[in-house]
Amino acid sequence: DADVTQTPRNRITKTGKRIMLECSQTKGHDRMYWYRQDPGLGLRLIYYSFDVKDINKGEISDGYSVSRQAQAKFSLSLESAIPNQTALYFCATSDLSAGELFFGEGSRLTVL
Amino acid sequence: QKEVEQNSGPLSVPEGAIASLNCTYSDRVSQSFFWYRQYSGKSPELIMSIYSNGDKEDGRFTAQLNKASQYVSLLIRDSQPSDSATYLCAVGDDKIIFGKGTRLHILP
Repeated sequence: DADVTQTPRNRITKTGKRIMLECSQTKGHDRMYWYRQDPGLGLRLIYYSFDVKDINKGEISDGYSVSRQAQAKFSLSLESAIPNQTALYFCATSDLSAGELFFGEGSRLTVL
Repeated sequence: QKEVEQNSGPLSVPEGAIASLNCTYSDRVSQSFFWYRQYSGKSPELIMSIYSNGDKEDGRFTAQLNKASQYVSLLIRDSQPSDSATYLCAVGDDKIIFGKGTRLHILP
């Protein structure tokens, strides 16, 4: 089983729908991150968390919210999806400052 | 806003040659710099991390950091077709920011 698991792996939805992408990890890491990837734009940081009570905005947090339900779980929500949120979303974890990021397999979201 | 800049490429390099990938960054406070490799349709994976000025070598890979110039590079010696991928530069200790990536093609 993967150490960082994202669900769903693929999702097609309509404009205005609420969507939740979930991330769970078995690595025991405190730090968790959500990134989105668009062709030619690299990875852009949406939110990151260092523990259940510590949530931080990234580069492009508008239109997104997150919940850190437990050390091992970090969810990303789109309250009202719009087409320009169509992207590949990655969850990542790290066990310390300045440490390696371990990525999930990605969740591909299409908003029609 | 922290920024990380990379040439998007594609960079085409003959097999066996040295591939040179470059990255500049805006945040002078950051102490941590990373190179990730991403194959098409896959997740990024760490190639190198570097934290102090100078060179760091790991097999065919060498990372170079110059904090005064806010510049970090990755050299790949004896390039192989399997090195064809997108290389992502990342900067940051806590808030980790990525560049847009450089696509590398190794020509057989």
